Amino acid sequence: DAGVIQSPRHEVTEMGQEVTLRCKPISGHDYLFWYRQTMMRGLELLIYFNNNVPIDDSGMPEDRFSAKMPNASFSTLKIQPSEPRDSAVYFCASSFRIEETQYFGPGTRLLVL
Amino acid sequence: SQQGEEDPQALSIQEGENATMNCSYKTSINNLQWYRQNSGRGLVHLILIRSNEREKHSGRLRVTLDTSKKSSSLLITASRAADTASYFCATYYTGTYKYIFGTGTRLKVLA
Repeated sequence: DAGVIQSPRHEVTEMGQEVTLRCKPISGHDYLFWYRQTMMRGLELLIYFNNNVPIDDSGMPEDRFSAKMPNASFSTLKIQPSEPRDSAVYFCASSFRIEETQYFGPGTRLLVL
Repeated sequence: SQQGEEDPQALSIQEGENATMNCSYKTSINNLQWYRQNSGRGLVHLILIRSNEREKHSGRLRVTLDTSKKSSSLLITASRAADTASYFCATYYTGTYKYIFGTGTRLKVLA
């Protein structure tokens, strides 16, 4: 298996633009997680899905953020409109069970100017 | 705020020395995991210890879990420059259904 795949790896955009981050989890994993990492706030769980259903989105910072998982092999995290404070590294991870090992993707480094 | 707290926040040692980092948590857990993150990369799973285990080894890594003190420690023996990274503990809180990572320890191993 190729592991968790994220795209793009880097994204530079201007304030107000829409940003879409993509993730392909490891095949057979039932859980998918989206995280945000910054120096100031560390690693934050934004949302996670179980069998394509959002379970806990309490970490989503505000309505500008939305996440979807239309099928077991694809998820998106969308920011609309983007703001400079959204600049961070966004990670996607997947796992077989909620309590078990999470496998992380390489991350998307987002810079909002 | 995250419930997992780690100390020290940063640690600098010489190659060959042992490095110990600690993690505390606040409520009941079924297992606790340690991850490593190299600069600019995603997190990589190192080891999982279950609540009924007290100690676990993997190569140069030794993890302990003290459920009475709600704490865990990660020991890296005979450290190498390649061990330079940030180390995180993580756990799933069954009472609140939250999966939380600690604040991390930044380890620097000097050659």
